[in-house]
Amino acid sequence: NAGVTQTPKFRVLKTGQSMTLLCAQDMNHEYMYWYRQDPGMGLRLIHYSVGEGTTAKGEVPDGYNVSRLKKQNFLLGLESAAPSQTSVYFCASSTGPTQYFGPGTRLLVL
Amino acid sequence: AQSVTQPDIHITVSEGASLELRCNYSYGATPYLFWYVQSPGQGLQLLLKYFSGDTLVQGIKGFEAEFKRSQSSFNLRKPSVHWSDAAEYFCAVGDTNAGKSTFGDGTTLTVKP
Repeated sequence: NAGVTQTPKFRVLKTGQSMTLLCAQDMNHEYMYWYRQDPGMGLRLIHYSVGEGTTAKGEVPDGYNVSRLKKQNFLLGLESAAPSQTSVYFCASSTGPTQYFGPGTRLLVL
Repeated sequence: AQSVTQPDIHITVSEGASLELRCNYSYGATPYLFWYVQSPGQGLQLLLKYFSGDTLVQGIKGFEAEFKRSQSSFNLRKPSVHWSDAAEYFCAVGDTNAGKSTFGDGTTLTVKP
């Protein structure tokens, strides 16, 4: 039982490049979330999903897109990366109020 | 809208001393409340949670927290801090809608030998 896994663990992008972050969970959870964490700040919700095929915007959705084609996977896409998107990205899943977090992806945009 | 305030950005305590980390929240109904710990370069680990019932909740690693509705607080405590407790601590309030959580900005704990 791996819980929540994130791929990749670390990535460096140039401004304007695109990439996709993958989150996978093996707990059959309905809800999945993408957060970003910046220094001196807590986690801020980017997008979330309440079930397969559904997504919704969170607090800071601009510049990101998501897809939930399979229940166990939640993809976060950056179409044209900007330095302001340098951050640590955390995925989480849940069946209710308690969320289970992945180990994070560190993204550096130059 | 819900919000969480952690008034202390950084706290330093001596090993063996007691610890209290403050958390105040704003939420329209009975909140779901959480404390997480994050070690450097790691993800978030759930320490404890409050949903209802007894307002004093016990968590892992010897931590406890007390929900005080009248003060809109959910402070985290530990009677005797260990050097391994040095980390960043986040308080969060959970939304009943799809389980979304709002996090505080965190408190960094340093433990002196």
